[in-house]
Amino acid sequence: DIQMTQSPSSLSASVGDRVTITCRASQGISNYLAWYQQKPGKVPKLLIYAASTLQSGVPSRFSGSGSGTDFTLTISSLQPEDVATYYCQKYNSASLTFGGGTKVEIK
Amino acid sequence: QVQLVQSGAEVKKPGASVKVSCKASGYTFTSYGISWVRQAPGQGLEWMGWISAYNGNTNYAQKLQGRVTMTTDTSTSTAYMELRSLRSDDTAVYYCARVPAPYDYWGQGTLVTVSS
Repeated sequence: DIQMTQSPSSLSASVGDRVTITCRASQGISNYLAWYQQKPGKVPKLLIYAASTLQSGVPSRFSGSGSGTDFTLTISSLQPEDVATYYCQKYNSASLTFGGGTKVEIK
Repeated sequence: QVQLVQSGAEVKKPGASVKVSCKASGYTFTSYGISWVRQAPGQGLEWMGWISAYNGNTNYAQKLQGRVTMTTDTSTSTAYMELRSLRSDDTAVYYCARVPAPYDYWGQGTLVTVSS
């Protein structure tokens, strides 16, 4: 099975900072990569799919990039409402693994 | 609008089984599938598997093979996830989500607590 590894597992940044989260697949998955945001006590929310396509209604400060094995989620200017845990998910095959998550906090 | 509404919280003893339901509305049920994802307290998301509502084909996470069964009832647009031989580490919130991935619609989650 393909493993998905996220880093860092947690980060603390100031409001307005640029934040980058990485997700690495143990084998190539083309661009079949999604990013989800989960706020405490809430249901996960789809942010980005096909590695770089923003889901409708998601603020433009979120962006995704990458292909193959290495992917990034970037928040261009961190806002207080972005406090959440972020997960990547591969969906190139019948087995849809999630990364371990990255918890984002405000410094 | 698309909605996935799950059944209520459950408390089970170790060794028992639990069956969680996910009732879909707002779309043609048989045109999509349903996936199940769980989240243990303070932990990340774990993909459990999925079922096609069109033909009932399933794909389960290897870790759960033999203990999990996913089914659908097309007459009521409801998907079910049954987990058997429950252990304490099965305590989690269980989510259903509409397939195919990526998951744009999720159920509200069902807390399953396994405790003696």
